[in-house]
Amino acid sequence: GAVVSQHPSWVICKSGTSVKIECRSLDFQATTMFWYRQFPKQSLMLMATSNEGSKATYEQGVEKDKFLINHASLTLSTLTVTSAHPEDSSFYICSARETGPDTQYFGPGTRLTVL
Amino acid sequence: RKEVEQDPGPFNVPEGATVAFNCTYSNSASQSFFWYRQDCRKEPKLLMSVYSSGNEDGRFTAQLNRASQYISLLIRDSKLSDSATYLCVVNPGGKLIFGQGTELSVKP
Repeated sequence: GAVVSQHPSWVICKSGTSVKIECRSLDFQATTMFWYRQFPKQSLMLMATSNEGSKATYEQGVEKDKFLINHASLTLSTLTVTSAHPEDSSFYICSARETGPDTQYFGPGTRLTVL
Repeated sequence: RKEVEQDPGPFNVPEGATVAFNCTYSNSASQSFFWYRQDCRKEPKLLMSVYSSGNEDGRFTAQLNRASQYISLLIRDSKLSDSATYLCVVNPGGKLIFGQGTELSVKP
């Protein structure tokens, strides 16, 4: 149990385009989902916390107009990187937390390369 | 100062060796603590939670010292398959804060 999927697993896009990444909890309901970014040789950095049906809470330094997060249902959250630039190239990972337990389950990640 | 700091790596050890990772955290209000393992180009996976009394899972032993804000992970009889990056993770309340990770390479 407790499986989280992400789609796509990798994407290459041109500078200036927008990319949408989906995060789904497959066998549980996730009231809270988290979006992380990881650059090479660095740790995971929390970008934002999203709660179902409400606006996401962004970490300091993360542009909310650039990284649009939607958590419309208890099993799906999306991250849209708008007007992507090469410096946005990174490994984006989501996690989902069930109501009650403190454990987060991680998706397999999405590798974004912006040319 | 980073919220979670780990030993710099990489650690290169022979099979069968015992290896210890250290971690310190800055937020004294932190409530829960974990060690995660991350393989190259993969998502992190929970290795074990860390409890104040210390806990063991097979070859892995985790310790927590709240007074010193220090967490450790000991791996005994290391295997080739233990090669990965080990992430110290702290929950100060509602979210996970990751250390930069320590890379472990176990050689035959």
